[in-house]
Amino acid sequence: DAKTTQPNSMESNEEEPVHLPCNHSTISGTDYIHWYRQLPSQGPEYVIHGLTSNVNNRMASLAIAEDRKSSTLILHRATLRDAAVYYCILRKTGANNLFFGTGTRLTVIP
Amino acid sequence: DAGVIQSPRHEVTEMGQEVTLRCKPISGHNSLFWYRQTMMRGLELLIYFNNNVPIDDSGMPEDRFSAKMPNASFSTLKIQPSEPRDSAVYFCASSLNDYGYTFGSGTRLTVV
Repeated sequence: DAKTTQPNSMESNEEEPVHLPCNHSTISGTDYIHWYRQLPSQGPEYVIHGLTSNVNNRMASLAIAEDRKSSTLILHRATLRDAAVYYCILRKTGANNLFFGTGTRLTVIP
Repeated sequence: DAGVIQSPRHEVTEMGQEVTLRCKPISGHNSLFWYRQTMMRGLELLIYFNNNVPIDDSGMPEDRFSAKMPNASFSTLKIQPSEPRDSAVYFCASSLNDYGYTFGSGTRLTVV
C-alpha cells in the first residue's frame, strides 16, 4: 500500500484556519485520499475524502495537488473541539480496508 | 441511528481468561472492521468482514484471537486465553461500500 507522511504535531490558535499537510508521493491513480480524526478517548471519525478535485463539506476542505502527490486538510476556523489526531490515509478504489499511520496531533490554543 | 455500538466499554480480566468483545454495526452497512489501538503500535486492522464473510484476517495477531459475524447486525472478537500484552482499546467500525467508516466508542481491555 502507498504510504503517507504527516508532521507529528501542529499547533493552531483558536478561530484561525489550520492547514494540515500530507505527502503521498507514491500514490497510484486508483487511490482515494481519506482523512479521519480521533478526538481524545474516542474512536476515529471520518472527515473527508477525495480523488482528484478539491472537496468541501461541513467539517473541512480537502485541497489536492495537481500531481496528487500531496494534499492539505483545511479547517477554516479551528475550535478547541478540533484538537485531535488527524490521519491521512490512501485507500484503493474498491478496497475495503483502511490502514492508519501515526497522524498529526493538532493542538488548538485558546 | 445510534451508531456503532460496542460492549463492554471497559473490561478487566485475569491472564488466561476468555474475553469476548461485541459489536453492533450500523443497520444497512455491509462491511465491518475490528481494530486494535495501543500507544506502541497505533491503530491496527485485525480483520474485516464483507456481507458477514471474513475477507482478510491477516492482522489477527495469533490463534488466540478469533472473530465471527453470524449475521448482519452482530459481531464478536474473542481472545482465548488472554494475555497482558493484549491490553489495548479495541474498536469496531462499519461502512457501506466505499463510503466513510463509522467507528464505535471502543472497548478498553486490561489483562492483569
